Amino acid sequence: EPEVTQTPSHQVTQMGQEVILRCVPISNHLYFYWYRQILGQKVEFLVSFYNNEISEKSEIFDDQFSVERPDGSNFTLKIRSTKLEDSAMYFCASSEPQVLNTEAFFGQGTRLTVV
Amino acid sequence: RKEVEQDPGPFNVPEGATVAFNCTYSNSASQSFFWYRQDCRKEPKLLMSVYSSGNEDGRFTAQLNRASQYISLLIRDSKLSDSATYLCVVNGVTGGGNKLTFGTGTQLKVEL
Repeated sequence: EPEVTQTPSHQVTQMGQEVILRCVPISNHLYFYWYRQILGQKVEFLVSFYNNEISEKSEIFDDQFSVERPDGSNFTLKIRSTKLEDSAMYFCASSEPQVLNTEAFFGQGTRLTVV
Repeated sequence: RKEVEQDPGPFNVPEGATVAFNCTYSNSASQSFFWYRQDCRKEPKLLMSVYSSGNEDGRFTAQLNRASQYISLLIRDSKLSDSATYLCVVNGVTGGGNKLTFGTGTQLKVEL
């Protein structure tokens, strides 16, 4: 069964450092997303990406964050200067081209710990 | 009103019980609705989509009431393996793509 894969599964970084979280979406999907979940809190939308550009982003997705699809398979989230409050589980997701009634499929997540 | 609101629980039920979860959403223009399941420290996984006509998948039944902006999930004959957090998810369909908005989740614990 096709799945979204994310690497690494766990990343520990020092405050102020840059991190890149990587994702390989399901191959025939065209919409890609990043969500995050702070421990004990709900899943929050960060950004959606379609046709090589950001289609929507949340207030959380400020100038510290960027996304990129560097090749035909990878989708990355970069955090330029990490803060303690960036510690969370980051989930990548993808969905098919149809707009309505389209569920998103999630990767297993990257646990980011900022120390 | 929160965008997607759920009772956080936990719901502690014995094996074999029937349990119902409720959810309300604030955006009347929302287009599609889902229940996801999340196990501890794992990714959300789609349980079922929710349609206006109601839909059933084995022991699980989902209902949508657009007029009341209300979604429900019924689990019959609950199993120990049903223990998880159940996430009500609404797709607002804005801009050029989809944006899923998650409720806080309702925790279910099924006990012997």
